[in-house]
Amino acid sequence: EAGVTQFPSHSVIEKGQTVTLRCDPISGHDNLYWYRRVMGKEIKFLLHFVKESKQDESGMPNNRFLAERTGGTYSTLKVQPAELEDSGVYFCASSQERGRGGYTFGSGTRLTVV
Amino acid sequence: QQQVKQSPQSLIVQKGGISIINCAYENTAFDYFPWYQQFPGKGPALLIAIRPDVSEKKEGRFTISFNKSAKQFSLHIMDSQPGDSATYFCAASKSSNTGKLIFGQGTTLQVKP
Repeated sequence: EAGVTQFPSHSVIEKGQTVTLRCDPISGHDNLYWYRRVMGKEIKFLLHFVKESKQDESGMPNNRFLAERTGGTYSTLKVQPAELEDSGVYFCASSQERGRGGYTFGSGTRLTVV
Repeated sequence: QQQVKQSPQSLIVQKGGISIINCAYENTAFDYFPWYQQFPGKGPALLIAIRPDVSEKKEGRFTISFNKSAKQFSLHIMDSQPGDSATYFCAASKSSNTGKLIFGQGTTLQVKP
């Protein structure tokens, strides 16, 4: 079984630019989550999709962040315009069932905004 | 507000020793407590998890101890090995919720040979 795939693995952009992160979950996993870890801090929840629907986006920092999951397969997370404080590692995770763990995380995208 | 507090931030243990990482939570509605292990350049991977109806769960060299009244849980790594060197995260969630995890800040463990 292929794991959760994220790309790019690294991205360095200038403040004010736009970046789009992509996540391909495990096939058949309806639940898809985005998390972010800012340097040295805890991994924080951003949002949760069930298929193509946003179930919980309470962790999204502000309206510069836009997540989509068209067709209920892969998901994208766009940051526009990027700010310095957006730097961190963005993780995607998927699961078959929600609320019972069983998450599989991707390797993350390390975003650096300079 | 940090809902799950993890300590220590870093830990150095000799090979063969016991590594202990502690977490405390605030929300009594949490009912699932997993530990994740993360190696550099990789995503967190589920190591072991516990639900509050048991006080201890053991899988190989890894044991979770859970104290519901104190709202604390800990990870014990027995006979620690250099290959255990990684970052460990505790987390908590509510099954009735979306399944989102609330993570602790992480502990970087180094096991010296």
